[in-house]
Amino acid sequence: EIVLTQSPDTLSMSPGERATLSCRASQSVSSYLAWYQQKPGQAPRLLIYDASKRATGIPARFSGSGSGTDFTLTISSLEPEDFAVYYCQQRTDWPYGFTFGPGTKVDIK
Amino acid sequence: QVQLMQSGAEVKMPGASVKVSCKASGYIFTGYHMHWVRQAPGQGLEWMGWINPNSGGTNYAQKFQGRVTMTRDTSITTSFMELNSLRSDDTAVYYCARDRNSMASAGVPNWFDPWGQGTLVTVSS
Repeated sequence: EIVLTQSPDTLSMSPGERATLSCRASQSVSSYLAWYQQKPGQAPRLLIYDASKRATGIPARFSGSGSGTDFTLTISSLEPEDFAVYYCQQRTDWPYGFTFGPGTKVDIK
Repeated sequence: QVQLMQSGAEVKMPGASVKVSCKASGYIFTGYHMHWVRQAPGQGLEWMGWINPNSGGTNYAQKFQGRVTMTRDTSITTSFMELNSLRSDDTAVYYCARDRNSMASAGVPNWFDPWGQGTLVTVSS
């Protein structure tokens, strides 16, 4: 089973700063990686899929990069609504299973 | 617009079963895989499995095999997730989530978008 590790656990930032979140897979997942944002009391929301493609309606300040085992989610300039928990997720080939990373919380410094 | 409306909160005794429903609207129900994910209080996301609403085919996470059953009723565009032999550590919010890509375009399950509002299942004696 592929294990995803996210770092850091918590990122304390100020609005306007650049945030860089990391996700590492225990073995190559090619580009089969997505990022989700979850705010308290809400369902997760897809931000990035296929490692670097923004989902519909996602602002351009969110970007994803990486392939293989190392991936990054970058928020170029934090807005107040971006303080949330971010999860990475991978998909394996047949029979197409999925796993999530443990999450990174971005909170206000 | 695409909507996934889940059934209400449940309280169950240990050893019981729970069946959560997810009513889909705004798209062709049989054209997209449906996923189920759960989240224990204060914890992360845990994928449980998916169902192909067209064929009824499923794939369950190994952790839940033998205890979970995902079904669908195409006549009412609703997916169901039933979990048996409930334990206290099954207390969680259970989400359904539609696949981002149609089966016609992608063929295989992909990413989860959008999600239902979640259903809290509490297991307690």
